[in-house]
Amino acid sequence: EVQVLESGGELVKPGGSLRLSCAASGFTVSSYGMSWVRQAPGKGLEWVSGISSSGGNTYYADSVRGRFTLFRDTSTNTLYLQMNSLRAEDTAIYYCAKDRRATAGPPYYFDSWGQGTLVTVSS
Amino acid sequence: DIVMTQSPDSLAVSLGERATLNCKSSQSLFYSSNNKDYLAWYQHKPGQPPRLLIYWASIRDSGVPDRFSGSGSGSDFTLTISSLQAEDVAIYYCQQYYTSPRITFGQGTRLEIK
Repeated sequence: EVQVLESGGELVKPGGSLRLSCAASGFTVSSYGMSWVRQAPGKGLEWVSGISSSGGNTYYADSVRGRFTLFRDTSTNTLYLQMNSLRAEDTAIYYCAKDRRATAGPPYYFDSWGQGTLVTVSS
Repeated sequence: DIVMTQSPDSLAVSLGERATLNCKSSQSLFYSSNNKDYLAWYQHKPGQPPRLLIYWASIRDSGVPDRFSGSGSGSDFTLTISSLQAEDVAIYYCQQYYTSPRITFGQGTRLEIK
């Protein structure tokens, strides 16, 4: 069964750092594009970052570029999101999502999502 | 970035009746080289992850009931639920991937039972 499981969310002060993890099972992250999508309280879905199936390309929304870094460990089949210089507006549930297509290139649409992990940025 | 605008923001429909949700993009999502519209629909229930319903504007994902259908092309798209069931109460999002990796979602339509 295909599953992704996020972890690492917690309360952090503005300017702080956090690393989110996304453990994949039932598929290999090196075969699919993956993304992080977040939902701020009372808001809709916002794409944050993505990685191509090859792992050679990473992509970021303007709102997080330069502060967030996405990388993966194929030996543990895990995706990570390193979040630095956190701001109050980064407060959200962060979802890890798998592209439906096993193709090269950036992710398009997502057929497997985790339950999400809550990041709260507050003093 | 392509802006996705959904309408209405909320919708109340009686059980067994048809629900029609709309999504409009700020530019065409149709790619003539492959004759496809780069649009997906998701269902999102509280406390659950989003669920992929439709991709390429009209293809139902596996396991999605056939009461869900997607239509439209270019900049105007529709998600139709032919006979609303109680379990369909959720927020529905459209998402464009024409400018992948810079994908964008609509603001969502909240669907309730009348």
